[in-house]
Amino acid sequence: GESVGLHLPTLSVQEGDNSIINCAYSNSASDYFIWYKQESGKGPQFIIDIRSNMDKRQGQRVTVLLNKTVKHLSLQIAATQPGDSAVYFCAETYSGNTPLVFGKGTRLSVIA
Amino acid sequence: DAGITQSPRHKVTETGTPVTLRCHQTENHRYMYWYRQDPGHGLRLIHYSYGVKDTDKGEVSDGYSVSRSKTEDFLLTLESATSSQTSVYFCAINPGNYGYTFGSGTRLTVV
Repeated sequence: GESVGLHLPTLSVQEGDNSIINCAYSNSASDYFIWYKQESGKGPQFIIDIRSNMDKRQGQRVTVLLNKTVKHLSLQIAATQPGDSAVYFCAETYSGNTPLVFGKGTRLSVIA
Repeated sequence: DAGITQSPRHKVTETGTPVTLRCHQTENHRYMYWYRQDPGHGLRLIHYSYGVKDTDKGEVSDGYSVSRSKTEDFLLTLESATSSQTSVYFCAINPGNYGYTFGSGTRLTVV
């Protein structure tokens, strides 16, 4: 719920603008990355993923960019809508079924 | 969330009491996970299972135990709850394409 959002970095964007959420990952051996969206009172939901042999992947209104040189991921949301307001997490894993390791999250707040 | 349910959704318990949280899946996936979520820490892995009776520790396993006696159920037990275990607990399943499906969470308060 709301307590999850305390202490998180917050990004505030105007409705209709594009949003960019950044994530620095920790393990240079990680080969698979996922972005999750978490709305208040709910579990994280899968948004988009990318493998380390790619540097960009596009979905519906979302794009993930991967820069392995500096261990950086970004999530771009086009034409941000009020329904995009949530906490966004990046997650990383490697070598098949190693459990996902999550970043600390960013709260996106959309101003109508 | 489709195929995965957690119970209870909310629980308040006293310090020192045992607590068991249940995760149930209907999709017969091999891998199941327990994470806790706290302000400023994101989701941290407690324990996970890679099959019936096969479990392993995660980053924050102290004070927790798990059991998986059948594929569909993964239980998380706090043997003697402490205030530091007040948290939101999420169970997840791995459908095999790496992207986990999460349950709706259990909010546990230890007073």
